[in-house]
Parts: sequence; structure tokens; C-alpha cells
Amino acid sequence: GAGVSQSPSNKVTEKGKDVELRCDPISGHTALYWYRQSLGQGLEFLIYFQGNSAPDKSGLPSDRFSAERTGGSVSTLTIQRTQQEDSAVYLCASSLDHSGRGLKGDYGYTFGSGTRLTVV
Amino acid sequence: KQEVTQIPAALSVPEGENLVLNCSFTDSAIYNLQWFRQDPGKGLTSLLLIQSSQREQTSGRLNASLDKSSGRSTLYIAASQPGDSATYLCAVRMGTASKLTFGTGTRLQVTL
Repeated sequence: GAGVSQSPSNKVTEKGKDVELRCDPISGHTALYWYRQSLGQGLEFLIYFQGNSAPDKSGLPSDRFSAERTGGSVSTLTIQRTQQEDSAVYLCASSLDHSGRGLKGDYGYTFGSGTRLTVV
Repeated sequence: KQEVTQIPAALSVPEGENLVLNCSFTDSAIYNLQWFRQDPGKGLTSLLLIQSSQREQTSGRLNASLDKSSGRSTLYIAASQPGDSATYLCAVRMGTASKLTFGTGTRLQVTL
């Protein structure tokens, strides 16, 4: 698509419930990232997918958080047994990404509008 | 570990003024640096991307410079307008397969 699409834009859930957040990256972008922005805080890296490589999960805050990316395109971030401290805006981004030399092109990130998650 | 700092944290200027936002990073071996704006309750909009081999990039009233050796970037906004009011974030990328490390942002308000 023309941009990074995230759904839902807003989600209110009860503490203890599971939620799924979806990200549809720009067509052709091989790299996909999830970030979290809590109220008044900076952006916190969660997880990164690059092609068929094993994802970099180093930013996931607990084992309640997981993410997958099917077919190298759409990604879902799942939070199990949500807690109030999970309330935040979850942002997805995609970019061109390659390894090797002689790279050309713009490897900037494009972000989606985010999903605002509120756990009550 | 890369750390990114933005100064000032907040800035209020009257319409029409030129202004400079600062970004500094501790590890100069960056791959590229990107400036974003974030409006309240919204996602991030990319403004300018500077590759490590470049010194500056311009887009309209915006000019971003990069001095890798000193670990600094500046975002210059000319003839500021109320519509420029937003939080401005800089972020660095260390390699081709690498996450962004964000600064804490500068909240800009342009008053009439």
C-alpha cells in the first residue's frame, strides 16, 4: 500500500484479556519494526523483523508479548493477559533493508499512525 | 550503547522566527539519522533523512545538518508557522539491519 497501515486505531480492553494489534507495511519493505510510546515517554523498541531472518526480540518487555510476521508482510503483535502498564501507543514502521555493500536508495523509516491501547 | 539527546526539551517562539533544534549522539558510527515530527495523538511523520556520508538535507523551510565526528545534528526551521507546532524527534540507525534509537524530543510551540 501507499503507507503503513495499523489497526485498530484505538483499543480499550479489560485487564487480563488478550489483544492483537495489526500492522500492514509498505509493499516491498522487507524490514518491519514495532515500537511503544507510553504517556510522556520516548519511543521504546519492541521487535524487528527482517526478511526471513530470525526476528530481533530484544525489546519485548515480558513473555506476555509476542509478534509474528506472516509471508514477509503483515505483522501482528499479541499481548496476553494485559496489564494497566501495557497502556500505550503501539507504533509500527517499515523500511527497505539490506545487508551488503553498494547500497542505494532511501532507507528511512515510515511509521503508521499507531494503535492507542488502553487497559482498564 | 548509543544514546541520543535532544536540546531543548521544549521551545516556544513567535511566528516568523527562525529556530534550531539540536540532537547529539554518543556513538558516531551511525548509518543514517532521521528527523521526525509527531503531532499530539498521532504517529510519526518523516521529515528528513541524512545518510552518514552526507552533510545536510533540505526540504522546503527545513534544513538538517549532520556532523558525524562531533556526534551532532541540527534541524533548522525557517520562518516558523503555527502549523509547525509539534514534537520533533531525531533518531539514529547504526547499520543496515538495525533499529532506530530515538532522542526524547523537542516540543515546539509557535505562537501567533
